[in-house]
Amino acid sequence: DTAVSQTPKYLVTQMGNDKSIKCEQNLGHDTMYWYKQDSKKFLKIMFSYNNKELIINETVPNRFSPKSPDKAHLNLHINSLELGDSAVYFCASSQGGGTTMDTQYFGPGTRLTVL
Amino acid sequence: AQSVTQPDIHITVSEGASLELRCNYSYGATPYLFWYVQSPGQGLQLLLKYFSGDTLVQGIKGFEAEFKRSQSSFNLRKPSVHWSDAAEYFCAVAPVSGGYNKLIFGAGTRLAVHP
Repeated sequence: DTAVSQTPKYLVTQMGNDKSIKCEQNLGHDTMYWYKQDSKKFLKIMFSYNNKELIINETVPNRFSPKSPDKAHLNLHINSLELGDSAVYFCASSQGGGTTMDTQYFGPGTRLTVL
Repeated sequence: AQSVTQPDIHITVSEGASLELRCNYSYGATPYLFWYVQSPGQGLQLLLKYFSGDTLVQGIKGFEAEFKRSQSSFNLRKPSVHWSDAAEYFCAVAPVSGGYNKLIFGAGTRLAVHP
């Protein structure tokens, strides 16, 4: 059973396009996250939702819009894709209110390539 | 500014040899400390974490880490490395003083294991 799943696993698209990445967790967790891992493997948090409410919103371009239809899903929509958006995007989830003691469980990642 | 430094980008060890991966952090106070492992093509898996108490922490897969406040370090160790330990290892910190779960990651150390 996959705990945190992401679709698609790979995404190749042209500059200027709009794309979405989906994330689902079956752990019953209340909090979900999106991280971006750049080409140097550097991981940085982008967003976090707790029970469908946005609780962390780092300095991310407005072209990135997370959407949480329910607490088991957190999707990431990206408008007007740019070359610099090429990265691996990881979804994660944790139990509880998203405090720093909660262990985060990560999905397998989505490798986005913008041409 | 909060930061995590992993001085070694790549480490190669022979199977059966001991391993130590270094992690230093810069933070206003002692944060929560984590080690994650990322196997090729996989998401991140938590190896161990330190919140308080005993400064030697045991984790999964035979790993341990020691917190040294005087050195602001949280080095990961394993007495005998297996070929399956080849992966990318990330040290991370999170604030203790409440707030939401913003993990700050180091740049990672890639471990290669020679047979």
